[in-house]
Amino acid sequence: QVQLQQSGTELVKPASSVKISCKASGYTFTSNYMHWIRQQPGNGLEWIGWIYPGNGNTKYNQKFDGKATLTADKSSSTAYMQLSSLTSEDSAVYFCARGRFAYWGQGTLVTVSS
Amino acid sequence: DVVMTQTPVSLSVSLGNQASISCRSSQSLLHSDGNTYLSWYLQKPGQSPQLLIYLASNRFSGVSNRFSGSGSGTDFTLKISRVEPEDLGVYYCFQHTHLPYTFGAGTKLELK
Repeated sequence: QVQLQQSGTELVKPASSVKISCKASGYTFTSNYMHWIRQQPGNGLEWIGWIYPGNGNTKYNQKFDGKATLTADKSSSTAYMQLSSLTSEDSAVYFCARGRFAYWGQGTLVTVSS
Repeated sequence: DVVMTQTPVSLSVSLGNQASISCRSSQSLLHSDGNTYLSWYLQKPGQSPQLLIYLASNRFSGVSNRFSGSGSGTDFTLKISRVEPEDLGVYYCFQHTHLPYTFGAGTKLELK
């Protein structure tokens, strides 16, 4: 069955970067888009962008251009999202979701605090 | 960006009654490939959103037939018949026809 296992909670300092992961199993990793979505505390959901692991192509929500960088490692079927120049506004739960958004990871909480 | 407007913001229902949530988009969600990429999700506290309805009216695998989606163009509705305790949470509509993809702000379904 399709599973997306995300990395654990991160507590990071302002101005730093963080890289979170999403390990896929149960399907062909290279043939499906992987999306990333943000949910700020008490707020709704925002689509960050997608990566196509088969060729590494990416597409970003303009709002997250320069903030998020999506990569994928075909050998380990793992997608990554790096967030840079972190501020308190980046404190949120981040989800990965496959293809047509039917399958989601459990979410990774990122807290930015000094 | 396509704005997704959900109403109501919150909804109080009695167990066994019907609930209805509306979602209106600022542009038609009909894609050039003929599909309408409008989905409905339920998010329970501490969990990731779970897909209920895709392509506006198709129930996802394993989803109760008490959930039904309808609509086209810019107006969509999610109906939940005979509300049960496990249906409580926040419902989101979501469009992935136009980039950037966008979600509604959510409707909280509570017990009356």
